[in-house]
Amino acid sequence: DAKTTQPTSMDCAEGRAANLPCNHSTISGNEYVYWYRQIHSQGPQYIIHGLKNNETNEMASLIITEDRKSSTLILPHATLRDTAVYYCIVRVGYRDDKIIFGKGTRLHILP
Amino acid sequence: GAGVSQSPSNKVTEKGKDVELRCDPISGHTALYWYRQSLGQGLEFLIYFQGNSAPDKSGLPSDRFSAERTGGSVSTLTIQRTQQEDSAVYLCASRRDHYNEQFFGPGTRLTVL
Repeated sequence: DAKTTQPTSMDCAEGRAANLPCNHSTISGNEYVYWYRQIHSQGPQYIIHGLKNNETNEMASLIITEDRKSSTLILPHATLRDTAVYYCIVRVGYRDDKIIFGKGTRLHILP
Repeated sequence: GAGVSQSPSNKVTEKGKDVELRCDPISGHTALYWYRQSLGQGLEFLIYFQGNSAPDKSGLPSDRFSAERTGGSVSTLTIQRTQQEDSAVYLCASRRDHYNEQFFGPGTRLTVL
């Protein structure tokens, strides 16, 4: 079973920041939070990951709460090409690496 | 460099036939995963290979499904006696080591008539 919960869908206006929430209340101390996205008819694409500190790369920022029970993926200036399903994943541990994808959030960028 | 490749990109078969799907991971990646995605659904884990360890087959839906990974590189997913419910996109992913991200292939769309 997926260890995360995400809203089924969200809308965001083009050019605005898209903030995608994820709850992972049962996360363990050695588990990382990963985000992937899947654009229609393509394989999933890695976006970003983090343990407890906030992270930023060329694609997005990841904000993890202090208790690590939730996180937010931020796409700072959403474009139409960011329309996709976004998956928040908690890695289940160092040895058991069967990464489980939930249903994700379908993000619609509106022109 | 080259990403994960899968072949064929599309496969149409008749119910009851066997099919083989191929995955070429990124060179040097020790971990390889197979997932499937039915229309409008999330990714369903099937099987995971890590180096020379025994594969984690816990996601295979029935004994008609099997996979092997030869020489720690190329992997083949075999579905015997295909059923219509096997129709899905089959995705392969590879990863360099435990703390790095997965890279996904484009998938094979399987249609069982």
